[in-house]
Amino acid sequence: DGGITQSPKYLFRKEGQNVTLSCEQNLNHDAMYWYRQDPGQGLRLIYYSQIVNDFQKGDIAEGYSVSREKKESFPLTVTSAQKNPTAFYLCASSEGWGTQYFGPGTRLLVL
Amino acid sequence: QQQVKQSPQSLIVQKGGIPIINCAYENTAFDYFPWYQQFPGKGPALLIAIRPDVSEKKEGRFTISFNKSAKQFSLHIMDSQPGDSATYFCAAWGGATNKLIFGTGTLLAVQP
Repeated sequence: DGGITQSPKYLFRKEGQNVTLSCEQNLNHDAMYWYRQDPGQGLRLIYYSQIVNDFQKGDIAEGYSVSREKKESFPLTVTSAQKNPTAFYLCASSEGWGTQYFGPGTRLLVL
Repeated sequence: QQQVKQSPQSLIVQKGGIPIINCAYENTAFDYFPWYQQFPGKGPALLIAIRPDVSEKKEGRFTISFNKSAKQFSLHIMDSQPGDSATYFCAAWGGATNKLIFGTGTLLAVQP
């Protein structure tokens, strides 16, 4: 059963804490992406990776970090430098062009 | 040049009506235009997509119309149902980057 999984579904962050969101895909896609979605708003690109061990900043990378050590995995860390982290985070993957397939999302809340 | 402008921001129709969502772009290098449907609390799902070499594509009750000269494309939902109530995003791909450029979304409500 191919697809993209994200965990956890909900995540709570304390002030000053770094948290990591998981994204795994078994679609054998080369490219993976992280987006942030705020209520009633569109999708903003945080980071993307077109190949293992390589990634590029998107439009709103400040306060976030990523790694791409395996083709299947693209974790996102929300660092303490991100002052307004409350949002819905979406991971996606693609074969390198065109259609992106999205995971179910992680909702991050600040305590 | 990298923007995709989407309108309206929100739309209310009666069951059986035909909501129309419009998108416009500037970058003529874009060559793939997907539409996504997103329900509350879920990830977006691909609905239908079109390339600029065709002017219309239908999949079930969903139709994309594409006007290459005007650099505009639109989504029509025939015989809309309350279950179609969701946020719809248009997007465009192509050019120098490997990024999908999204519109700002349209919140559709279909009233019973």
